Amino acid sequence: GENVEQHPSTLSVQEGDSAVIKCTYSDSASNYFPWYKQELGKGPQLIIDIRSNVGEKKDQRIAVTLNKTAKHFSLHITETQPEDSAVYFCAARNPPLFNKFYFGSGTKLNVKP
Amino acid sequence: EAGVVQSPRYKIIEKKQPVAFWCNPISGHNTLYWYRQNLGQGPELLIRYENEEAVDDSQLPKDRFSAERLKGVDSTLKIQPAELGDSAVYLCASSLELLMNTEAFFGQGTRLTVV
Repeated sequence: GENVEQHPSTLSVQEGDSAVIKCTYSDSASNYFPWYKQELGKGPQLIIDIRSNVGEKKDQRIAVTLNKTAKHFSLHITETQPEDSAVYFCAARNPPLFNKFYFGSGTKLNVKP
Repeated sequence: EAGVVQSPRYKIIEKKQPVAFWCNPISGHNTLYWYRQNLGQGPELLIRYENEEAVDDSQLPKDRFSAERLKGVDSTLKIQPAELGDSAVYLCASSLELLMNTEAFFGQGTRLTVV
């Protein structure tokens, strides 16, 4: 089956700095890669996603890159703000495996004011 | 538009007792997921429905867990009897599966504590 690994598990940055979270996946059949932000006591919220036919996608301060050859994808947050503090999860969707989402273990991002 | 609605938000029960969670997906979404999220970990799929059919329940502990999605809309997830290790957040998500790669929207979850 698919295995998604996420690093780092915790990340602390100063407000205004950039944050990068990296994920790797094992099954080349995975073709859709969403990123979720989860605040305390809330469900995960989709913040950006990328499909396998695209190498990079940007939405304001958030960008995601995908390297299909290396089977890794990354979330980039620029000009971080305290409200960016949350747990971020990457996921990979695998059509052959019942179209299932496989989640990483999460990164707790702390943006210090 | 309302998002995925789950209830209750919190539930505390004694072990061996039954418990049920309810989910109302986004209107029109034909696919519904139940996930379990243990503390400090990512969500893990328990069961996925396409309309009223359970198409993937390989991770559902069928000796004590059951789920249903009558009429292909609302869904309930039941645990009977609950064990201490069932303490977790149970998340419901839904998506519109017209294309292969569509995003899933999550509810706020039900935090279950088994004592």
